[in-house]
Amino acid sequence: EAQVTQNPRYLITVTGKKLTVTCSQNMNHEYMSWYRQDPGLGLRQIYYSMNVEVTDKGDVPEGYKVSRKEKRNFPLILESPSPNQTSLYFCASRTPYEQYFGPGTRLTVT
Amino acid sequence: GQNIDQPTEMTATEGAIVQINCTYQTSGFNGLFWYQQHAGEAPTFLSYNVLDGLEEKGRFSSFLSRSKGYSYLLLKELQMKDSASYLCAVRDRTRGAGSYQLTFGKGTKLSVIP
Repeated sequence: EAQVTQNPRYLITVTGKKLTVTCSQNMNHEYMSWYRQDPGLGLRQIYYSMNVEVTDKGDVPEGYKVSRKEKRNFPLILESPSPNQTSLYFCASRTPYEQYFGPGTRLTVT
Repeated sequence: GQNIDQPTEMTATEGAIVQINCTYQTSGFNGLFWYQQHAGEAPTFLSYNVLDGLEEKGRFSSFLSRSKGYSYLLLKELQMKDSASYLCAVRDRTRGAGSYQLTFGKGTKLSVIP
């Protein structure tokens, strides 16, 4: 089954404790991206990757890092999480015509 | 940058037809997408328009006018399960050659009532 997976699905953590949210896709897509979704603000792109070892900032990259060492994986790293990064995060991969989203990771930073 | 506008909320009756509008401003337009998102779930793809006109897919249709920077999503024979947020997203080429970016509107929350 073609899919995008994310882990963990839910995470509660404390300010400053480094965390990684994993993302993996099995569709051999070159393009992957990370979004955060907040009430009243919609989906905003954090980072994207056009291929292995090629990443670039989206609209809200501050406080996040990404890496793309393999085509299928695109982890999101929060080196020092802060409460304003409490959000619902979606990983996505796409073809030119359709974007597939992962199930989401609900992160709470206290 | 981009500016994508859609109504925040709409309410419609089961069995009726509803039209959700989306207007956008962009310099390098390369397609418009509609997504459905139920509360707490991931968005799912509904439709894609890159040329002017109407695309029909079952109960859902999407229309695009590039000259007016305008699209709408038409939902017919509304069902209770259609209660969800509907996201308009515009793809453009504003970040360099070979880089197409997808920017989402804030979404329209549709409530279907009996």
